[in-house]
Amino acid sequence: SQTIHQWPATLVQPVGSPLSLECTVEGTSNPNLYWYRQAAGRGLQLLFYSVGIGQISSEVPQNLSASRPQDRQFILSSKKLLLSDSGFYLCAWAGMTGKHRNTEAFFGQGTRLTVV
Amino acid sequence: KQEVTQIPAALSVPEGENLVLNCSFTDSAIYNLQWFRQDPGKGLTSLLLIQSSQREQTSGRLNASLDKSSGRSTLYIAASQPGDSATYLCAASGMNSGYSTLTFGKGTMLLVSP
Repeated sequence: SQTIHQWPATLVQPVGSPLSLECTVEGTSNPNLYWYRQAAGRGLQLLFYSVGIGQISSEVPQNLSASRPQDRQFILSSKKLLLSDSGFYLCAWAGMTGKHRNTEAFFGQGTRLTVV
Repeated sequence: KQEVTQIPAALSVPEGENLVLNCSFTDSAIYNLQWFRQDPGKGLTSLLLIQSSQREQTSGRLNASLDKSSGRSTLYIAASQPGDSATYLCAASGMNSGYSTLTFGKGTMLLVSP
């Protein structure tokens, strides 16, 4: 069965420090991978999605970047964190049927990031 | 651009009641509609997925319906229990800049009291 791992669960970082959040998927190949951020009262915001190794698309301009060095690994990074980067970050994966239609999406347990 | 709205934002019911959560979306060109549950501080757990060609899906006490033409989906929970207390999110899957992505509503926070 497919599983998704996301770590760390919580993180407290000072302003200006770097960030690296990692997400890995098991039990599937060539998944679509997603990074979402959830802020209180604002719902889930799509940050990045990837349809393959090295293929990253960004939804919104921001202080963050993403990389997909391996098929089932998705990394969210920042060189210098801002206070506004605080939030709950969620990684997700979905399979594909046909060229564009995604199957059921599954989420990791999330990382609570607090920038101080 | 797809927009998803969930009503009500919060709901409090006594145990045993049947309840309906509503989800509406502006662009009917969706691939599927997915309902999730989120417990405080946790990730999202998938509950039901309805393909665009389907009208409803059922899992245990949960039943989700989809009316693509009117841009609506409902999640029906039968005989609610305190363990059902959580935030429920719906997400519409569709094309965005050439790729398939999920657009979420802000959720309905459900509290079922014993």
